[in-house]
Amino acid sequence: NAGVTQTPKFRVLKTGQSMTLLCAQDMNHEYMYWYRQDPGMGLRLIHYSVGEGTTAKGEVPDGYNVSRLKKQNFLLGLESAAPSQTSVYFCASSPGRVLYGYTFGSGTRLTVV
Amino acid sequence: KQEVTQIPAALSVPEGENLVLNCSFTDSAIYNLQWFRQDPGKGLTSLLLIQSSQREQTSGRLNASLDKSSGRSTLYIAASQPGDSATYLCAVPYNNNDMRFGAGTRLTVKP
Repeated sequence: NAGVTQTPKFRVLKTGQSMTLLCAQDMNHEYMYWYRQDPGMGLRLIHYSVGEGTTAKGEVPDGYNVSRLKKQNFLLGLESAAPSQTSVYFCASSPGRVLYGYTFGSGTRLTVV
Repeated sequence: KQEVTQIPAALSVPEGENLVLNCSFTDSAIYNLQWFRQDPGKGLTSLLLIQSSQREQTSGRLNASLDKSSGRSTLYIAASQPGDSATYLCAVPYNNNDMRFGAGTRLTVKP
């Protein structure tokens, strides 16, 4: 079982560039999430989805957009990258609400210069 | 607002020692609590998920307890090994579609 797969694993962007992070899960989970992890800040929720075709804002959504066109994929987009978006990004999925806990991907380390 | 605190921030022990990691949360109305392990530069691996109706969960040398009324959970690691060196995070549900994470305890087990 692959579980939750994130691509790419590493990326360096210049300020103002755009990119898309891909998260794919093969567990038929309904719920998917994007978090960012920063030193001293812990993990913070960016956006989440409770099913195919749905998205919602989390705690820190500004500067990001998401799409869930297929149940197994959840895309995180940065339209115009800023140095403040330098972080490690984690995708997670869950069969339903928080009763079931999360399964995480291995992360994408993004540096914006 | 739910706040999750983990103490200590870092812990160094000799191999073979039993140890306890602590997690506290401010809002006791939780559905569950999850313990994760994170290796440097890696993702989070789920270790144990304790539902609110449970008081303990065990997996191998790991035992996690949950005391909702006092807002505390502990992760007990028996007979620690160098391979247990990692950061351990606890997390509780927040607002139905989010989780609140502690900052983690960085564990080093010395051979």
